[in-house]
Amino acid sequence: GAVVSQHPSRVICKSGTSVKIECRSLDFQATTMFWYRQFPKQSLMLMATSNEGSKATYEQGVEKDKFLINHASLTLSTLTVTSAHPEDSSFYICSASSGIGELFFGEGSRLTVL
Amino acid sequence: DAKTTQPPSMDCAEGRAANLPCNHSTISGNEYVYWYRQIHSQGPQYIIHGLKNNETNEMASLIITEDRKSSTLILPHATLRDTAVYYCIGYNSGGSNYKLTFGKGTLLTVNP
Repeated sequence: GAVVSQHPSRVICKSGTSVKIECRSLDFQATTMFWYRQFPKQSLMLMATSNEGSKATYEQGVEKDKFLINHASLTLSTLTVTSAHPEDSSFYICSASSGIGELFFGEGSRLTVL
Repeated sequence: DAKTTQPPSMDCAEGRAANLPCNHSTISGNEYVYWYRQIHSQGPQYIIHGLKNNETNEMASLIITEDRKSSTLILPHATLRDTAVYYCIGYNSGGSNYKLTFGKGTLLTVNP
């Protein structure tokens, strides 16, 4: 069964609103979580890396005030897309690592901003 | 974080073995080689990982060269459901401030 769960799998929102995506590790404690976005027919693009209890490290070009990442516990990280615009529409994927070899990905969340 | 290069696409006949290569010449000594695959509109699915020795599980086999600069993922009897984009990545789970980046992967098409 799935060891990393993302929710929601699909979300449609109006432009200007905020959307929160949750990523949970079900079978292990995730010391590190990675967030990606993926556009059609492209590879996964790393957005940020978060360690439990620490501020996320964002990749160049990713606005930290727009994509808020919280990793408050060893089993949950959240990505909040603030003031969403149509160009934020994408497939968002999280990954969780236990720090001792386990590395699994969530099922992904499809965001559509109208 | 190791950079990996893979052929953009490969074809394989159903029932035959699919051998997917990956070059990771910059991989460091404590980075494992992980393989994932992604079917359209789904998250990457874990396949296998290894450090130095060859590995086998119910899904696939992983052959890593002695110098660890390349590896091959083997699907022994490919089925139509194995059609997907396959990614190899280098990762050190015990490393701090690690950037886990993906290359473009290989689109494997299994033909009937």
